[in-house]
Formats: sequence, structure tokens, C-alpha cells
Amino acid sequence: EVRLVESGGGLVKPGESLRLSCAASGFTFRDAWMSWVRQPPGKGLEWVGNIRSNRDGGTTDYLPPVKDRFTISRDDSNNAVYLQMNSLKTEDTAVYYCVTEYWGSYNFWGQGALVTVSS
Amino acid sequence: EVVLTQSPGTLSLSSGERATLSCRASQNIGSSYLAWYQQKPGQAPRLLIYHTSSRATGIPDRFSASGSGTDFTLTIARVEPEDFALYYCQQYSYSPRTFGQGTNVE
Repeated sequence: EVRLVESGGGLVKPGESLRLSCAASGFTFRDAWMSWVRQPPGKGLEWVGNIRSNRDGGTTDYLPPVKDRFTISRDDSNNAVYLQMNSLKTEDTAVYYCVTEYWGSYNFWGQGALVTVSS
Repeated sequence: EVVLTQSPGTLSLSSGERATLSCRASQNIGSSYLAWYQQKPGQAPRLLIYHTSSRATGIPDRFSASGSGTDFTLTIARVEPEDFALYYCQQYSYSPRTFGQGTNVE
């Protein structure tokens, strides 16, 4: 059974940093492309960024508004993917989902981690 | 950025009726790079359809989808009580990947 478990969410002030972790199990993690998708409270879904498998280059891609502030990384030895978020803004407030990619669509989702940016 | 516009915003139906949801892209995204998701309150989204028309594992065959270019459709042949939810389309032809704003089937 595929499991994705996010952790690290919480309340931070504007300008602060936060790191989300996603522990994966139930599939061959090293071969998977992983993404983060967020959902502000009461609003729709927004892709944040992704990281390819190391076999496919390990490169990352980001939503333009977060490109210079967020960094996605992976640790294949621990089946984990991370989202480092710096210089957080109030508009970054959302539930952040860790998801597996299936040819560009998202076939498995974690339960989400709530990040609240507020002074 | 490719903007996806879903219509209608809300679809009011009774169980057993047919639901037709539309997703229109602001530019041609080809014939294969569209997905559909279902989201219920308090839950993560669930993949229904990928590659425009392929059902994800475990998705019942009352869900079907089609389209190409800029116009895509998700059809629920006969709505079951568990189908009342929010539905999102998503394109993965271009970066950044984008979602529609959602259609609420109530």
C-alpha cells in the first residue's frame, strides 16, 4: 500500500522559514517523480513544484512565484522528499500535499500538512 | 501559463442523472495531457482520469472523459450518492502545471 506522510507544518511569521518532510512507502521511491501541491483554505489546488528521479536527472521545477524561495530535495536512502520554504508570505498559507507523479498526473496523495503564515 | 476554466461552477443533480463537466484550456495542450480529480470535504484529491481518457486504478466505469486541444469533458454516466464532490481538471502539457478552479457536483 502506498503511503505518503507529510510532517513539519505549523504557524510561522512572514519572512520566516519552514521545512516540510514527506515519508514515502509502498512503492519504489527512487524511481518516482515527486511533487508538492498546495491548497489555500477554501480554495483550489496549485502545483508548487516537482523533483525528478535521480535516474531521470534529479532536476527540479517550480511555480514561478515560489521559484526563488522554495527548494525541493529528495533522499532516496530514506524514501523521503522535502520542501524547504524560505521568506514565507501570507499567501503561502495552505495545506501542502506530497504527491507521486504518474506521467504528469498525481496518482497518490498524502494527507496534507497545514502551513499558516501570519503575524 | 495555461489557464484552465471549468464550467459550470456548480452542477446540481439528483442521483441517477448524467453529469457533464467541462474544462477549457487557454491554449492547445494536445490530446493526452489532461487529468481529472475528485475531492471530498476534508480529504485529499483522488485521481480519476489521466491522459485525457484513461481511468485510474479502481475508478468505476461510470466515469469517462474525452477531449483534445482546448476542450475536455468529464462525464459521470449515472451519478451515485458518493459522487457528490468537487472535481478539478489539471494539465501537464506545459510548466507550470495548472489546475482548473473546480466544479462542485451537488
